[in-house]
Amino acid sequence: GENVEQHPSTLSVQEGDSAVIKCTYSDSASNYFPWYKQELGKRPQLIIDIRSNVGEKKDQRIAVTLNKTAKHFSLHITETQPEDSAVYFCAAPDGNTGKLIFGQGTTLQVKP
Amino acid sequence: NAGVMQNPRHLVRRRGQEARLRCSPMKGHSHVYWYRQLPEEGLKFMVYLQKENIIDESGMPKERFSAEFPKEGPSILRIQQVVRGDSAAYFCASSIMTGEDGYTFGSGTRLTVV
Repeated sequence: GENVEQHPSTLSVQEGDSAVIKCTYSDSASNYFPWYKQELGKRPQLIIDIRSNVGEKKDQRIAVTLNKTAKHFSLHITETQPEDSAVYFCAAPDGNTGKLIFGQGTTLQVKP
Repeated sequence: NAGVMQNPRHLVRRRGQEARLRCSPMKGHSHVYWYRQLPEEGLKFMVYLQKENIIDESGMPKERFSAEFPKEGPSILRIQQVVRGDSAAYFCASSIMTGEDGYTFGSGTRLTVV
């Protein structure tokens, strides 16, 4: 089945700096890669996703890049703000049933 | 659209009691997934269901845990004879198709076993 590794586990940046979170996956057949943001005590919420027919997708300050050859994808947040502080999870579908397998999570802290 | 509804939001059970967690998917979603999240940890897959069928229960502990998604009514995650290690947040998610279309999560049920 699919295995998803996420790094780093914690990330601290100054407000206004960029943040990058990276994930690798194992199943070369995977073709959908979402990112979720979870604020303390709340539900995970989808913030951006990418499919394997594109290499990059951008939505305002958030972008995701995908390298299918290397089997890794990354989340990029530019001009970080304190409200970006949260736990971020990447995910990839399991090839057998399509259920999402999540990375271990990255705790992002944006210091004012 | 009310989104994915989970109840109760908080549940306290004594060791040995049963816990029943409910999840109503978004309207039009027929795929339901349950995940467990321990404090400061990630989302661990438990079970994937469609109406009246368990598609994948590879993440479910072999004993005490069961899940169903009947033809009528919400999906139920049932934990019998709870132990302190069962204390966690349990999230339900739903999707239109398989997870390849992204999930919508419910607010979760926070189970505390005392």
